[in-house]
Amino acid sequence: ETGVTQTPRHLVMGMTNKKSLKCEQHLGHNAMYWYKQSAKKPLELMFVYNFKEQTENNSVPSRFSPECPNSSHLFLHLHTLQPEDSALYLCASSQENFGGSASSYNEQFFGPGTRLTVL
Amino acid sequence: QKEVEQNSGPLSVPEGAIASLNCTYSDRVSQSFFWYRQYSGKSPELIMSIYSNGDKEDGRFTAQLNKASQYVSLLIRDSQPSDSATYLCAVYGNKLVFGAGTILRVKS
Repeated sequence: ETGVTQTPRHLVMGMTNKKSLKCEQHLGHNAMYWYKQSAKKPLELMFVYNFKEQTENNSVPSRFSPECPNSSHLFLHLHTLQPEDSALYLCASSQENFGGSASSYNEQFFGPGTRLTVL
Repeated sequence: QKEVEQNSGPLSVPEGAIASLNCTYSDRVSQSFFWYRQYSGKSPELIMSIYSNGDKEDGRFTAQLNKASQYVSLLIRDSQPSDSATYLCAVYGNKLVFGAGTILRVKS
């Protein structure tokens, strides 16, 4: 496997279900991200993890729960979702240059995404 | 004011023409600038990065950055129907912020 992988690619779930999205990066990066992309809307940053520590939570409802067990894996646990949560969920990774000058750092590479439908 | 602004389009150009995509940003301390291409139903793909004022060329793509004007653009020369996609501008100050994207349609 190369780059950033995500599973499953498609997920249909009821509002009472519990499911998890998985992301794995094979790039040796130190930061990972979850984004939500709804139809005809810009990318919405949900969570950021640097060196496995959550550094940003953009007012995401508690029905979304991230987990980052190590710098290569990122999960998004889902429970009691709403139909408006149906969207493309994208994982990304980057090599962050904390406090340094601009360089090739901060380039984010995306996985293929999980298309989530909540019934 | 949005942090990163793009014209939503669609921008329609004939095959072989130059497509010009524009982006403005509000954070003056931004240091890194990116263009992503996103095909319908797919994830964004990084196509250009630029960090200093001026032009950066890579094949048919040229990124242009003007920090004084807080403006970054992407030129696609010899546009092909396969270039039809949504192009996302992303700007990094202390975090990466994406614009809403410009839809490009290249007509054969």
